[in-house]
Order: sequence, then structure tokens, then C-alpha cells
Amino acid sequence: QVQLQESGPGLVKPSETLSLTCSVSDYSITSRYNWAWIRQPPGKGLEWIGTIYHSGGTHYTPSLKSRVTISVDTSSNQFSLKLSSVTAADTALYYCARDDRYNYNMDVWGKGTTVTVSS
Amino acid sequence: QSALTQPPSASESPGQSVTISCTGTSSDIGAYNYVSWYQKHPGKAPKLMIYEVNKRPSGVPDRFSGSKSGNTASLTVSGLQAEDEADYYCSSYAGTNIYVFGTGTKVTV
Repeated sequence: QVQLQESGPGLVKPSETLSLTCSVSDYSITSRYNWAWIRQPPGKGLEWIGTIYHSGGTHYTPSLKSRVTISVDTSSNQFSLKLSSVTAADTALYYCARDDRYNYNMDVWGKGTTVTVSS
Repeated sequence: QSALTQPPSASESPGQSVTISCTGTSSDIGAYNYVSWYQKHPGKAPKLMIYEVNKRPSGVPDRFSGSKSGNTASLTVSGLQAEDEADYYCSSYAGTNIYVFGTGTKVTV
């Protein structure tokens, strides 16, 4: 059964770049599905950050588009999130998920990792 | 793209039914039959409960059902059990390869 696990620093300084990795187990990241990042700020709802497609293309939420990069490392069966110029507003619980664009849903999720932006 | 609107909380007794609403716009819920619902227990990964408005993934009890009318989608949980106590989030495809999520509803059994 496919499993996803987020990893990365729990604390990032303002203006720096947040970097997270999602390790995919028991499923090849090069297979038909796409891969997404979602976040949840404290006390707020979920926010889709972006998706990297099986083809290698990407789409990001408009409000973060200028600061976000999602990439895939096929050799490690991982995909990554980079968010530049972070502020306190980027403090959140970050999830990675498998994005099924045939049915337009996220069918498998990681447990999430908390990132705090603070000096 | 604004977040979909859900009631902050809902509460019902065991064995009863609870319905959670998710209100969007004619650009997301009203435009596409791609509404999903996710269940989130503390410390656990979100779980897909409903997709394409009213379809259940394998393994999800038929106590969970979804519907849509206009710009509003709904999730109904019948025969509530203690294990159904969780946060629930809706999501909709919003065109141009974008998803929008709901604000979340805490269900208390």
C-alpha cells in the first residue's frame, strides 16, 4: 500500500527558503499519478499549494506561484517543495499527497510536517 | 480563488445522522462534479471519503454519502459512530488545474 512521508526542517527563518521532501513508498513515482503539496496554517483550512504532473509539468496556486517550486527526484522516489522568501504567514502543517487527475482528488496523503517561520 | 465555506462545527448523537455543507461558487462547485471530502483525525493523514460528489473509495463505509445542488455540496454521515468524530474538509476542482479546499468542519459525536 502506497505511503507518503514528509521530511524537512521544522524551523525556517523569515526571508529564507522552506524546503520539504516527500518520500513515496511502495509505488513508483514515475507511474501514472501526479504529486501535490497542501498546507494548513494554524486554525485555518487546507490550501492546495501545487502539483507536479506525471509529465513533469507543474501548476501552482496563483497566490504562491512566484515563490513555489515543486520537483521530482525519480532516483530517490521522492518529490520536493521549495517556498522562497517565507514569512510568518507561511507557518503551517505541510502535507504531501498523491493527486489523481482522473478523478480530481488526493487519494493518498502523508501525515504532515509542521513548519514554523520565525527568527 | 476563495476557500469553500463550511460550518465550523457539527454535533450529533451516536446512531444519528449529520450533514455538513460546503458552499462555493459557480466557478468551482457549481461548474464541476469534482467535489471530494476528506476526514482528518488528530495526528493522522487525511483520508479520502468521497470523490466526484458521491463516489466512495474502496473501504469507506456506505454510511458516508455525498451530494451537490448548485454551488453547495454536502456530506452526510448516517448511523454516527464514535470513530467518525473528526475534522472534515471538502475540496473542488476550480478549473485551470486549480483545487480549492474548504474551511473545515469539526464533527463531534
